[in-house]
This record gives sequence, C-alpha cells and structure tokens, in this order.
Amino acid sequence: AQRVTQPEKLLSVFKGAPVELKCNYSYSGSPELFWYVQYSRQRLQLLLRHISRESIKGFTADLNKGETSFHLKKPFAQEEDSAMYYCALSGYTGTASKLTFGTGTRLQVTL
Amino acid sequence: EPEVTQTPSHQVTQMGQEVILRCVPISNHLYFYWYRQILGQKVEFLVSFYNNEISEKSEIFDDQFSVERPDGSNFTLKIRSTKLEDSAMYFCASSRSRRVGTEAFFGQGTRLTVV
Repeated sequence: AQRVTQPEKLLSVFKGAPVELKCNYSYSGSPELFWYVQYSRQRLQLLLRHISRESIKGFTADLNKGETSFHLKKPFAQEEDSAMYYCALSGYTGTASKLTFGTGTRLQVTL
Repeated sequence: EPEVTQTPSHQVTQMGQEVILRCVPISNHLYFYWYRQILGQKVEFLVSFYNNEISEKSEIFDDQFSVERPDGSNFTLKIRSTKLEDSAMYFCASSRSRRVGTEAFFGQGTRLTVV
C-alpha cells in the first residue's frame, strides 16, 4: 500500500525565515514524488516533482530513500508562499497516473 | 494557458438523487481522473480513464459511481443515488500521458453537498 504523511497541519513562519514542509512516504517500489500547491481560491497545481530535480519559486525538495522523505524547503519565505501544500506519490506499477496525497500542510507566512 | 474546467462549482442535492459532475479536460490530454476531498481530509483518488474505459479505480468507486466521456470533450462523473457521505469537493484532472513524472492538471473543483 502507498501512503503519504504530512505531520504538520499548519506551519507558521515569519517572512524571510526558512521553511521546511515535511513529507514522509511508504511505498514498496520506486516512487515518484510531487509537491502540489493550492493558493487561496485557486486550483491544485504542480509545484515540483522529484524526477525533474528543479527549483520552482525558490522551493526545492530532495528525495531521501533511506529516510523515505521528500521534504519541501525554501531558504527565505515570502508572503505569497502562503498556501496549502500537498505532498503526493505516484507508484510506478504501470499505472503511474494515480496520485496518493498527504493531508496537506497550510503554510502561513507573516510579516 | 489551457485549463481543466468543471461545472457546476457548487451542487446541492437531496439524498438519493442522481448527480452528474462535468469536466472539460485539456484538449490534447488522453488520461482523465476524478479525485475527491471530504472536508478536512486528504485528496483521494477515485478513478482514472483512458481510451474510453476505466484504467483503475479505488475502493471508494463502487457501483454508485460511473464515468463517461460522452462526446469527445466532456468527462463526467455520475453518482446514481447520493448519500450524505458523498458530500465532498470533487476534482477532475487530466494528463498528457501516464509516464512517470507526468503532471496532472486539476480543475477548480465541484463542491457537492448532499442534504
């Protein structure tokens, strides 16, 4: 079974402070991990995926297979980063389309 | 930029009634999905659809649910006899392929309230 755990429902940080949103996963095979973001009143949208090894809006995430983690990090939080962040896993069983989501973490960046 | 669109944005229905949620996926996408999110809970996979048939479905997707691509542009989710516990946000998504790492594009969601 595949499972994604995001232990924090809410993370509140000051503008300019570092951000780390935690994500741990459980999957027996080789997973593909994603971070999706949902800004207020907007749709879910892809922020980044581990396979691309990209940095989007200053965010990065490294897949750590030993710790089964895919934490999302940003060195300096901005107000516009306030949103709901979902970690998601796609298990490669030939049906890579299915995403398993975590419960989400609300990031609140305050002045 | 092309988007997945869903209608209606909010649907209120009486328990036992049938509802149809509509989605227009991005035009050159081939894979379509429905997810739902009960208030306060995680986004859950319901079903994936390709080449006019279901590719995979979750245990939530029982006989009360069905999906259809009736006309080559719309993708619908039908709930035959709604229950109170079907109240949730329903998200449609589409993707160009199901290759590993392919991005799924989500609609803005339909909030279904069963009373």
